[in-house]
Amino acid sequence: AQTVTQSQPEMSVQEAETVTLSCTYDTSESDYYLFWYKQPPSRQMILVIRQEAYKQQNATENRFSVNFQKAAKSFSLKISDSQLGDAAMYFCAYRSFYGGATNKLIFGTGTLLAVQP
Amino acid sequence: SAVISQKPSRDICQRGTSLTIQCQVDSQVTMMFWYRQQPGQSLTLIATANQGSEATYESGFVIDKFPISRPNLTFSTLTVSNMSPEDSSIYLCSVGLSATEAFFGQGTRLTVV
Repeated sequence: AQTVTQSQPEMSVQEAETVTLSCTYDTSESDYYLFWYKQPPSRQMILVIRQEAYKQQNATENRFSVNFQKAAKSFSLKISDSQLGDAAMYFCAYRSFYGGATNKLIFGTGTLLAVQP
Repeated sequence: SAVISQKPSRDICQRGTSLTIQCQVDSQVTMMFWYRQQPGQSLTLIATANQGSEATYESGFVIDKFPISRPNLTFSTLTVSNMSPEDSSIYLCSVGLSATEAFFGQGTRLTVV
């Protein structure tokens, strides 16, 4: 069975600085998808960024980028130029490749990010 | 993308009663997923609902406690039955339009007293 681990329960960053959130996972599959979701106090789950395991290039979405290390089974999220609105709980998630949208997401335990003004 | 309307957004219920949570999607989807998020914790899948068949439950969740209906491709309900304070959680429905996308409702915050 696949597992996702986030070893940082809480992180803090100064506004405009850069922060990296860690995520490791365990799987025997060679193809899969990885995601970072943001959950602000509103409870709404918001997709931040996604990565297909078969792509070597790291995904980037504006101020958000990932460092995907397939051999090490690591998938960290870097937030550049942090903004107050980035404060939220961040979840790393895994989805199996085969079956696609019919597969569930497996979530890590989350990292609570605080942004200091 | 998909827009998911989940109702109610929150409720306070007496122990021993049941609450039905509704999830409406603005497009047809094959699978709908129901997750539970206990206070301060991660999301755990309760069950997967496919239209026209019985839901598939994850280990630790049973149909008698969490019955699910999926009458069509845009709607599903999750009932939390015979509630106890341990059922106090956020419940979220989710759909995936493709392998690289999953959308969530805004969640239902349930408090059982």
